[in-house]
Amino acid sequence: SQTIHQWPATLVQPVGSPLSLECTVEGTSNPNLYWYRQAAGRGLQLLFYSVGIGQISSEVPQNLSASRPQDRQFILSSKKLLLSDSGFYLCAWGLGVVRGYEQYFGPGTRLTVT
Amino acid sequence: AQSVTQLDSHVSVSEGTPVLLRCNYSSSYSPSLFWYVQHPNKGLQLLLKYTSAATLVKGINGFEAEFKKSETSFHLTKPSAHMSDAAEYFCVVNDGSGNTGKLIFGQGTTLQVKP
Repeated sequence: SQTIHQWPATLVQPVGSPLSLECTVEGTSNPNLYWYRQAAGRGLQLLFYSVGIGQISSEVPQNLSASRPQDRQFILSSKKLLLSDSGFYLCAWGLGVVRGYEQYFGPGTRLTVT
Repeated sequence: AQSVTQLDSHVSVSEGTPVLLRCNYSSSYSPSLFWYVQHPNKGLQLLLKYTSAATLVKGINGFEAEFKKSETSFHLTKPSAHMSDAAEYFCVVNDGSGNTGKLIFGQGTTLQVKP
């Protein structure tokens, strides 16, 4: 079976500090990978997606970046955090049309920028 | 362009009474539609999905949804609410961009279940 891991679960960082969130998937190969952000009381915003190693597409211009150094590893980064970066960050994987567009979500990381 | 609209931002029911969460979609082709549930500070869990097979879709925890093309709706129902059903629910459609597999999420409906 497939599992998806995210860490850390919670993070408190000062404004201007760097960020690195990691997501790994087990039990599948060549998944599509996604980073979402959920601001307090709001829906999901797709930040980045990747259809393969080294292939990153950005949905929203901002001070965040993403990388996919390995097939099942997806990293979200920032060089300098802003207050507006606070939120709940979710990683997800899917197989596109192969599995009917379903996406499977990790447990999330709660980021608070102070 | 594809989109989903969840018609209620907040629904409150009593335990043991039926649940109805409403969703309308817009799509230029035959869509795949989903309902996800999110409990506080948790990731999203897939409740059910429609992918052009049976129009009445049964999911986990007693939930079901009916795809009505003529009404462009995909409402979520459950005959009897439990306290554990209190959560945020998202109606979702695929964006049709092939193998990117991107999804479009509604704004969510908060379900409150009163004892």
